[in-house]
Parts: sequence; C-alpha cells; structure tokens
Amino acid sequence: EVQLVESGGVLVQPGGSLRLSCATTGFTFNNHALHWVRQAPGKGLEYISGISYDGQDTYYVNSVKGRFIISRDKSKNTLYLQMGSLRLEDMAVYYCARDSSGCLDYWGQGTLVTVSS
Amino acid sequence: QSALTQPPSASGSPGQSVTISCTGTSSDVGGYNYVAWYQQHPGKAPKVMIYEVSKRPSGVPDRFSGSKSGNTASLTVSGLQAEDEADYYCSSYAGSNNFVFGTGTKVTV
Repeated sequence: EVQLVESGGVLVQPGGSLRLSCATTGFTFNNHALHWVRQAPGKGLEYISGISYDGQDTYYVNSVKGRFIISRDKSKNTLYLQMGSLRLEDMAVYYCARDSSGCLDYWGQGTLVTVSS
Repeated sequence: QSALTQPPSASGSPGQSVTISCTGTSSDVGGYNYVAWYQQHPGKAPKVMIYEVSKRPSGVPDRFSGSKSGNTASLTVSGLQAEDEADYYCSSYAGSNNFVFGTGTKVTV
C-alpha cells in the first residue's frame, strides 16, 4: 500500500525556519518525482515545489523561491522541505504528493504550519 | 505560474449532471495532455478523479469524465450523488517538473 506521511508542522514565528518531512512506503522511491502542495485556511490548493525522481531537478513557485529548499533522501525514502524566512502568508496545510502519469496520484494527510508571533 | 481559472461554484440536483471548466494557456493546459482533476472533501487530502485529461483511476466511478479542447479542460459529473458534494480542482503539468492548479470549484448537490 502506497503511503506518504508528513510531519514537522508546528507554530513558528515570522522570520523563522522549519523542516517538513514526508516519509514514504509502498512504492519504489527512486522511480517517482515528488511534490509539495499547500493549502492556506479556507483557500485553494497551491503547488509550491517539486523534485525529479533522481533529485537532479527541482522547481519552486516564485513565492517561495530563495526561501524554501526541496530535497530527497533515497536511503530513508523521505522527501523534505526546508522552509526559511517564514511569512504570515506561508501558514497552511502542507501536503506531499507522488507524481505518476502527470498527476499527483497519492497524497499524504497533510501537516499544518502556523506562522504567528 | 498563474492559477488555472475555474468557476467558484456549480450545483445540480441528484441524478443531474454538472460540468466544470478549467481554463489555462498554451503553456499548461493547451500544451500538455497532463490535465488532472481532484476531489477534496472538507478536512481531507485531495483525491485524483481524472488524469491525462480523460482517464479514470481504478475505483473512480464512470460518472466522472474529462475532456479538453484547446486551453480549456472540463470535468463532467453525471448522475450526481450526495457524496459528490465537494471541492474540485483541476491541475496541469506546466513543464520543468512543475504543476499548476485551478482556483477550485465548490460543487453542491
């Protein structure tokens, strides 16, 4: 059974840093690109970052470019999102998702990042 | 990196059909056959209902169908059921290992 489980969401002050993790099981980790998608309270889905199956290519939406870093560890079958210089507008539920056939076919349950002073 | 455009809401009675549009550009919807549709119930993670414009994952009822013409994709839900009431989001591959989502449509049954 394919599973993705996010962790690391906490309350953080503006300007702070945080690392999210997404532990995966049930599929060949090295065969799939992985992505992060967020959803602010009461708002729609926002794609924010992706990493290729081999970790060689990454992508960031403009609003997080230079502040967030996506990475993956094949020895742990885990995806990461290092988040820095956090802003109020970064507050959201963060989902990790697996890429297959040009869609995000499996999602985690999400982890809540709260940015507040 | 602009969001794809969807109507904010759509509605239908049980048994009726509803169609949701998703308008992008030639750089996303019009440029790739990698359009997907996601269903999201409150407090839950999104679930893919349609991928590659018109394909249904295993377990998704055939009441759900997708199509595309030019820069606009569409999702049709036929024979509406109460459990179809949810938010629906389209997405498109946009090149360089990234995606773009639609603005979302709340479907009321």
